[in-house]
Amino acid sequence: EVQLVESGGGLVKPGGSLRLSCAASGFTFNSYSMNWVRRAPGKGLEWVSSIGSGSPTIYYTDSVKGRFTISRDNAKNSLYLQMNSLRAEDTAVYYCARALSTSWYDTWGQGTLVTVSS
Amino acid sequence: QSVLTQPPSASGTPGQRVTISCSGSSSNIGGNYVYWYQQVPGTAPKLLIYRDNQRPSGVPDRFSGSKSGTSASLAISGLRSEDEADYYCAAWDDSLSGVVFGGGTKLTVL
Repeated sequence: EVQLVESGGGLVKPGGSLRLSCAASGFTFNSYSMNWVRRAPGKGLEWVSSIGSGSPTIYYTDSVKGRFTISRDNAKNSLYLQMNSLRAEDTAVYYCARALSTSWYDTWGQGTLVTVSS
Repeated sequence: QSVLTQPPSASGTPGQRVTISCSGSSSNIGGNYVYWYQQVPGTAPKLLIYRDNQRPSGVPDRFSGSKSGTSASLAISGLRSEDEADYYCAAWDDSLSGVVFGGGTKLTVL
């Protein structure tokens, strides 16, 4: 069964850091682009970042550039999101998603909640 | 404001047909495929339509997608109570070099 399981969310103060992980199973992880998508409370889905499969091509939404870093460890079938200089507006449920192509997300994790508050 | 524009809400009675629109520009919908996602509150999003009008296996044929120019639409026929959810369109944006989502449409089944 194709599965994605996120972890690492929690409560952090503004300016703090957090590292999210996404464990993949049931498919050949290194063959797929992977993405992070978030949903803030009361708001819609927002794409955060993507990383290619082989020689990684990386993209970020403007609001996280310079603060977030996406990475992957194909040997561990894992995707990561290092989040630094966190702001209140980063509060959201963060989902990892497998991409068959840009914007084509066929598998999603259950999400992990990140709350940025003092 | 979202780059892709959707109506914030839509509604219908069981058995009716409803349509949700998604308006963009030449840098996103006009030049790239559109995807539609359904999110029931408290659950992860689910792919409904890919490449403008294709349904993944397991998605009922009550759901259909279309695109014309810089706009796309999701139609749901034979509305059912379990269709009550938030619906999002998405596309790659060449100018932003990123994925853009619509603001989402909350569908209520009356």
